[in-house]
Amino acid sequence: EVQLVESGGGLVQPGGSLRVSCAASGFTFSAYYMHWVRQTPGKGLVWVSRINSDGSNPVYADFVKGRFTISRDNAKNTLYLQMNSLKVEDTAVYYCVCYGLGSPAWGQGALVSVSS
Amino acid sequence: DIVMTQSPDSLAVSLGERATINCKSSQSVLYSSNNKNSLTWYQQKPGQPPKVLIYWASTRESGVPDRFTGSGSGTDFTLTISSLQAEDVAVYYCQQYYTTPLTFGQGTRLEIK
Repeated sequence: EVQLVESGGGLVQPGGSLRVSCAASGFTFSAYYMHWVRQTPGKGLVWVSRINSDGSNPVYADFVKGRFTISRDNAKNTLYLQMNSLKVEDTAVYYCVCYGLGSPAWGQGALVSVSS
Repeated sequence: DIVMTQSPDSLAVSLGERATINCKSSQSVLYSSNNKNSLTWYQQKPGQPPKVLIYWASTRESGVPDRFTGSGSGTDFTLTISSLQAEDVAVYYCQQYYTTPLTFGQGTRLEIK
């Protein structure tokens, strides 16, 4: 069974940093591109970032470019999103997603709250 | 960026009746290599992550009731619920995964009339 489990969410002050992780199981993690998608409270879904299967060529949405870094550790079957210079508007549930398996696989999400 | 536009924004349907949600993309999401449309439909209930209903525009996810049907190709897609049940009350999203940035429709809120 494919599973994606996010962790590392929490409350952080504006300007602060946080790293969320996504532990993958049930498929060959190292073979697939991985994505982060976020959903702000009461709002829609927005794509954040993507990384290739070997960790190369990260791609970012304009609103996080220069602040967020996506990475992965294929030996640990884990995806990361390092978030720096956080803004109040970055408050959201962050989901890791894999689209290469046929049916998209989503985690349950990690809540990141940015507030003073 | 590919813009995904859903219609309507909200919809109220009687129990047992048909519900239809439309999704239009600003450019084709048809992969020429496999002749499949990179379009997914999600159902989301409060406090839950999105649930995949349909992928490749018309392939029903395992375990999803057959009253949910996805159709369309190129730029125009439809999600049809043939006979609305109370548990179908939710927000529905379409999404293209043809190219980054992956983009979502704004969502359609489905309620019982």
